[in-house]
Amino acid sequence: AQSVAQPEDQVNVAEGNPLTVKCTYSVSGNPYLFWYVQYPNRGLQFLLKYITGDNLVKGSYGFEAEFNKSQTSFHLKKPSALVSDSALYFCAVRTNAGKSTFGDGTTLTVKP
Amino acid sequence: KAGVTQTPRYLIKTRGQQVTLSCSPISGHRSVSWYQQTPGQGLQFLFEYFSETQRNKGNFPGRFSGRQFSNSRSEMNVSTLELGDSALYLCASSAAGQGSGYTFGSGTRLTVV
Repeated sequence: AQSVAQPEDQVNVAEGNPLTVKCTYSVSGNPYLFWYVQYPNRGLQFLLKYITGDNLVKGSYGFEAEFNKSQTSFHLKKPSALVSDSALYFCAVRTNAGKSTFGDGTTLTVKP
Repeated sequence: KAGVTQTPRYLIKTRGQQVTLSCSPISGHRSVSWYQQTPGQGLQFLFEYFSETQRNKGNFPGRFSGRQFSNSRSEMNVSTLELGDSALYLCASSAAGQGSGYTFGSGTRLTVV
C-alpha cells in the first residue's frame, strides 16, 4: 500500500527566509510525486511534479522540490518566503495504477 | 481553457436526504476523481472514473456512489445523508497517464443539518 507522510502540521517562517515543507512517501515501484497548494475555500492547485530525471524540480511561484530516492523524500522548498505563500500544502504520490494518495497537509504561515 | 467546474458551490441538506454533485472536467481529460475534505480527516479518496468506468474506489460506505458520462462529466451521489457527511467535496480531472497531475475544481461545500 502506498502512503504519504507530512510530519509537520504547521510550519512558521518569517518573510524573506527560506522555507521547507517536508514530505516522505512509501510506494512500490517508481513514484510520481506532486505538490499542491490550497488557499481558503478553494480547491487544490498544482505546484510541481517529479516523474523522472533531475532530482530538483522547479514549479510555480518560485517553489522547487528535491527528490531523494534513498530517503524516500520529496521536500518542498523556496529560497525566500512571501506572506502570500501562506496556505495549506499537500504532497501526493501516484502509482502506475493511477491511484493517488495525499498527505494530511501542512499549514504554512509566513509572517511579515 | 476552462477549468474544472463543480456545481453547486454550496448546499445545505437535511439528514436522511440524498444529494447529487456535478463535475465537468477540463476538455480532453478522461479521468475524474472525487475527494472528501474535512478538517479532521484531511483529503479522503472517494473514487476515480476513467472512460465511464470506475477505476479505483476508496473506503466509503455504499451510500456514496458516482458515475461518469460519455462526455467525461461526472456526478457523485450520497444517499441517506448523515451529519458526518458535511464536508468539502472536491473533483479533480487529469489527462490519461500516471504522470499527469490533477486539476481541481473549487469544490462543493455540503452542510448536513
